[in-house]
Parts: sequence; structure tokens; C-alpha cells
Amino acid sequence: DAGVIQSPRHEVTEMGQEVTLRCKPISGHDYLFWYRQTMMRGLELLIYFNNNVPIDDSGMPEDRFSAKMPNASFSTLKIQPSEPRDSAVYFCASSLGGENTQYFGPGTRLTVL
Amino acid sequence: AQTVTQSQPEMSVQEAETVTLSCTYDTSESDYYLFWYKQPPSRQMILVIRQEAYKQQNATENRFSVNFQKAAKSFSLKISDSQLGDAAMYFCAQASYQLIWGAGTKLIIKP
Repeated sequence: DAGVIQSPRHEVTEMGQEVTLRCKPISGHDYLFWYRQTMMRGLELLIYFNNNVPIDDSGMPEDRFSAKMPNASFSTLKIQPSEPRDSAVYFCASSLGGENTQYFGPGTRLTVL
Repeated sequence: AQTVTQSQPEMSVQEAETVTLSCTYDTSESDYYLFWYKQPPSRQMILVIRQEAYKQQNATENRFSVNFQKAAKSFSLKISDSQLGDAAMYFCAQASYQLIWGAGTKLIIKP
């Protein structure tokens, strides 16, 4: 199995630009999670989907963040416009069942200048 | 509210020795799962071990084992014969309908 795939691995952009992060979950998994990790705040759950439907987006920091899951094999996290405080590592994870083991992608390191 | 607490921000151990990382949690659920994840400098989050709350037997995975005390809501991780490759951040997590994460413990292995 290929595992959870994220792209890009690194993204450097300037403040005000739009950023799109991509995730392909493990085939057959019905839950998908987006996390953000920073030194100051640790690991934060941003949003999660069940069967492509957003279930809880209470962790999304503000309206500049949006996430979609158009099908079972693809999800995006978009930040528009980006700000320096959005700099972090963004992880995507998937699981079979909401309380089961989550398998993480390698993460995207985002730097907003 | 569900919480997970890792009281040791950093631990160090001599190579080949044993170390125990602490984790306590708070939940009103009776059925849940507990996890330890490892995050090495590569930042990849790797599952170390998993425990189902309904199982009394402690989970083990090679050199990694847990001490699960359900009544005390404690879930510690023991690493035996520590190796340099074990150096990482270790996160404890508890799941009922979603995963609640601890703040992590940084484990340093001294050669």
C-alpha cells in the first residue's frame, strides 16, 4: 500500500498568496483528517471528513481556510490569502473508522514570507 | 471534556537501557482506544502501539510495551533496550469519536 500521500512536501509563498495542499488517503479508508503542527500550539485538528462529508470543522482557524473532499481519494486544504502565522507543518491522515488508527502522510511544510 | 496529559516534556535515557513515558487521560467514555505515536526528526508520524480499552492485557510490540491502568486512566509506554533510532517526540492519544492528543515527550538517547 502506498500510504497517505501529500503534496507538495514543501511550499514557500508570499503573504497574500493562495496556497493549496493536497492529500490522497489510503484506499478504502472512510475518514480523512487535516492537522496543523507548530512549536507553539502543537498538533491541532483542523477538520475531518467521513465518507467525503465534512463532519467537524471547528478547528479551522478562520474563513481564510477551506477544505474539500470531492471524492474518496482526494482532499484539498486551501488558505487564501495566506499569512506568515500560517507557517506550519500540515498533516493529512486517514483511518478506517473514526476511532481507529490514523495513518499519517509525510506532511507539507508551509512557509509564508 | 476529553484531555490527554503528558507530564514529561523531555526524557533522556542511556542507549540499551529502559525508559518509561507517562500519559494520563480523562474521558467519560467506556469504550475507546489509546495510541502512542512517534515523530522522529523526519517529522513523519508513526504508530508505535495501540490499546483497546476493553482489553485488559497490555499491548506489546517488540521492544515497546504499555502499562494500561483503566481505573487510573493511565497509559504509559515502556521502551526496552533503547536504541539511537528511538530518539523522537512521542505523542500519546486517546480516541472515542475523535483523536485527542497529548503535548508530546521528547526522548533523547545518550550513546
